[in-house]
Amino acid sequence: NFMMTQPHSVSESPGKTVIISCTRSSGSVASNYVQWYQQRPGSAPSTVIYEDNQRPSGVPDRFSGSIDISSNSASLTISGLKPEDEADYYCQAYDSSGWVFGGGTKLTVL
Amino acid sequence: EVQLLESGGGLAQPGGSLRLSCTASGFTFSSYAMTWVRQAPGKGLDWVSSISPSGVSPSYADSVKGRFTISRDNSRNTLYLQMNSLRVEDTAVYYCIRSSGAAVGPAWGQGILVSVSS
Repeated sequence: NFMMTQPHSVSESPGKTVIISCTRSSGSVASNYVQWYQQRPGSAPSTVIYEDNQRPSGVPDRFSGSIDISSNSASLTISGLKPEDEADYYCQAYDSSGWVFGGGTKLTVL
Repeated sequence: EVQLLESGGGLAQPGGSLRLSCTASGFTFSSYAMTWVRQAPGKGLDWVSSISPSGVSPSYADSVKGRFTISRDNSRNTLYLQMNSLRVEDTAVYYCIRSSGAAVGPAWGQGILVSVSS
């Protein structure tokens, strides 16, 4: 089994761009799709990126996802930050038996 | 619109049982794998169990294997999680999730609280 490691927290100002990383501990990040979930305080998670870089309908194009084989990591990029983007963000990948989540990153929009 | 409505949560004693249900609408339930994920108070997301569209080949996290059973009734568009031998550490909000499909990402329910305490 592998782990997905995220920074505990990141912060940035409104209008700026933030990148949240998610590093896979073993095996290639390209082997299994990566999803990203947003969880605002007191709410259920929702999907902002699936299958590495696909955006569900209704998610603004300010949200984008990518993977980098050289660093064995996935990234969530949020551009033009808005106060409502303040939330916890979780990456997730599939392994042979189930789902593997990162520990979550708290995004603060200053 | 995809809707996933969990029910059946509440307070249980250690060693007790609960059965969660998740009623789905807005998509063809029988075409999608389904998953349960939980979140302990103040903690991150933790995968519990998944089941294929036909109901065969369920999979479980080691922490619940042998105690929890996932099942589904495609005629009723309903997913279940039978939880036996509950432990204090099973206390969490449990989310029902429709897995990804053709050009659609995972969809989450609003969650249901399960509290295990004496």
